[in-house]
Amino acid sequence: QKEVEQNSGPLSVPEGAIASLNCTYSDRGSQSFFWYRQYSGKSPELIMSIYSNGDKEDGRFTAQLNKASQYVSLLIRDSQPSDSATYLCAVKTGDDYKLSFGAGTTVTVRA
Amino acid sequence: DAGITQSPRHKVTETGTPVTLRCHQTENHRYMYWYRQDPGHGLRLIHYSYGVKDTDKGEVSDGYSVSRSKTEDFLLTLESATSSQTSVYFCAISGPSLAGGPYEQYFGPGTRLTVT
Repeated sequence: QKEVEQNSGPLSVPEGAIASLNCTYSDRGSQSFFWYRQYSGKSPELIMSIYSNGDKEDGRFTAQLNKASQYVSLLIRDSQPSDSATYLCAVKTGDDYKLSFGAGTTVTVRA
Repeated sequence: DAGITQSPRHKVTETGTPVTLRCHQTENHRYMYWYRQDPGHGLRLIHYSYGVKDTDKGEVSDGYSVSRSKTEDFLLTLESATSSQTSVYFCAISGPSLAGGPYEQYFGPGTRLTVT
């Protein structure tokens, strides 16, 4: 079992809709969770960090964490064509500073 | 890119030749990482460093070595490049900062390496 798993996608949503991305992780002791956005040909960019159960909102992005169920999700509200990218889920596992990354979910927002 | 540069940005080399990629940061962060990214595999950690002269292996370290003689520089060396090392290589940094937590990683722009 991979440490971090994401819906493989691709996910296609109409402009203005909500895009919902899911991520599950295997290490029950994980405490830190991150979402990165990666445009084609570019490097990953950190967009959200979440450490506590519940929701965290930042603009049109909402991260949701449920440690009991071992999943973290990302909602993109009012999706725009500029949100078209691959979204990577990352989880800090173990006692060191390493992150484990999911394979990513590609989102396409159609006008 | 959070004060991180990588050089070169693109390189084509022949099988069997040594290659060194450089990551340079101006953030004074303690931790530095080298990843490779390939279709279908996502980001995979090659090596990381937790301080000057302190390095450790990641999940795909075979065929790679690293060195860190200064806080700001982290070098990745392919001793004898093979075609399977054709990939995009990303450097990342992390460490306590005013803006974020110590585990947040920030990535450099990447190096596209082709081994022919």
